Amino acid sequence: DTAVSQTPKYLVTQMGNDKSIKCEQNLGHDTMYWYKQDSKKFLKIMFSYNNKELIINETVPNRFSPKSPDKAHLNLHINSLELGDSAVYFCASSQGKTGFHNSPLHFGNGTRLTVT
Amino acid sequence: AQSVTQLGSHVSVSEGALVLLRCNYSSSVPPYLFWYVQYPNQGLQLLLKYTSAATLVKGINGFEAEFKKSETSFHLTKPSAHMSDAAEYFCAVSYNTDKLIFGTGTRLQVFP
Repeated sequence: DTAVSQTPKYLVTQMGNDKSIKCEQNLGHDTMYWYKQDSKKFLKIMFSYNNKELIINETVPNRFSPKSPDKAHLNLHINSLELGDSAVYFCASSQGKTGFHNSPLHFGNGTRLTVT
Repeated sequence: AQSVTQLGSHVSVSEGALVLLRCNYSSSVPPYLFWYVQYPNQGLQLLLKYTSAATLVKGINGFEAEFKKSETSFHLTKPSAHMSDAAEYFCAVSYNTDKLIFGTGTRLQVFP
């Protein structure tokens, strides 16, 4: 069973469209994240939710809106897509709010978003 | 600002040779340090972590890293490279906050 699963794996769309990426974890973790990996492989955190509560919002444009219906799911909705949004988006989860030292991040396999 | 620096965006070694991937952190307080590996078209997986216990940390796949406070370093090593080690390696740091800060990554190539 996949621990952190994201869909879709690939997403190709045109500028101006609205799209969503879904993420689910079956690890029982309390905290979920969205990371963006650019073309140079640089990974930057976007959002973090702990038990459905937003705890990190890293100066991401408000076109990006995360939604956590329950602690096992964290979806990412993107409005009015721009060329610069093209990247690989990774969902991750961990146990606890500050659990990095006790529990590592578990990553999904990524969603490659291409905006044309 | 607290950060982590990986020297060398690409490292190439021959199969069987020593692997050394460099990571330095900038902080005045003891951090938690991690190495993650990313294989093509996959998410990151934890290789090992330093959490203020032993300074020499052993991870999966024969990798290990040594925390050196005097050098603010946490370099990743493996005595003998295998073809399957070819991947992107990320050093990351946390200061018991909600954030994990990643380095820019080092691509390891292994030649036969």
